[in-house]
Amino acid sequence: DAGVTQSPTHLIKTRGQQVTLRCSPISGHKSVSWYQQVLGQGPQFIFQYYEKEERGRGNFPDRFSARQFPNYSSELNVNALLLGDSALYLCASSLAAGTGIGGYTFGSGTRLTVV
Amino acid sequence: AQRVTQPEKLLSVFKGAPVELKCNYSYSGSPELFWYVQYSRQRLQLLLRHISRESIKGFTADLNKGETSFHLKKPFAQEEDSAMYYCALKEEYGNKLVFGAGTILRVKS
Repeated sequence: DAGVTQSPTHLIKTRGQQVTLRCSPISGHKSVSWYQQVLGQGPQFIFQYYEKEERGRGNFPDRFSARQFPNYSSELNVNALLLGDSALYLCASSLAAGTGIGGYTFGSGTRLTVV
Repeated sequence: AQRVTQPEKLLSVFKGAPVELKCNYSYSGSPELFWYVQYSRQRLQLLLRHISRESIKGFTADLNKGETSFHLKKPFAQEEDSAMYYCALKEEYGNKLVFGAGTILRVKS
């Protein structure tokens, strides 16, 4: 099992640009959640998708959006990038919307640097 | 709003000494509590959750609703326990995890 895979691993963008981050969940997992981890802090919840529907949204501006595809992979989009968006973006997958058996499994993350 | 507090940024102990990583939470309902661990250059992984009441790698944690705490304990620390530890809370009717800021555990030989 490949686990949760995220791409790209590292990314450098300029202020004002747009970025798309990708996540493939564990095979059989239908839920994907996105978290932002700023240096020195714990991960912060951005979105959860289950069966292609948004099931939760954290306290992030509308510049952040996401979607889930029929194969359960997901994309996180961030528009009009700010320096403060520099962070590690984590994807977590689970069998169902809740933690259930096995809980959430995290990917290695995408390190986004905004300059 | 729900909050998870890990008061220590860094905890340094000698090998063989007992370890207690503190976690306090604020939530008025019945939360589900977790400990996640991140070893050097590895991804975040689940260490244990309070509903399973199991011991993983010698670590245990008991949910104390009266003190709103979920401290992580191990009687004898090992060097391979050195890592970043995060306490996390899930609301009873939601699916998001709320994380603390994390505690770095350093086990010295």
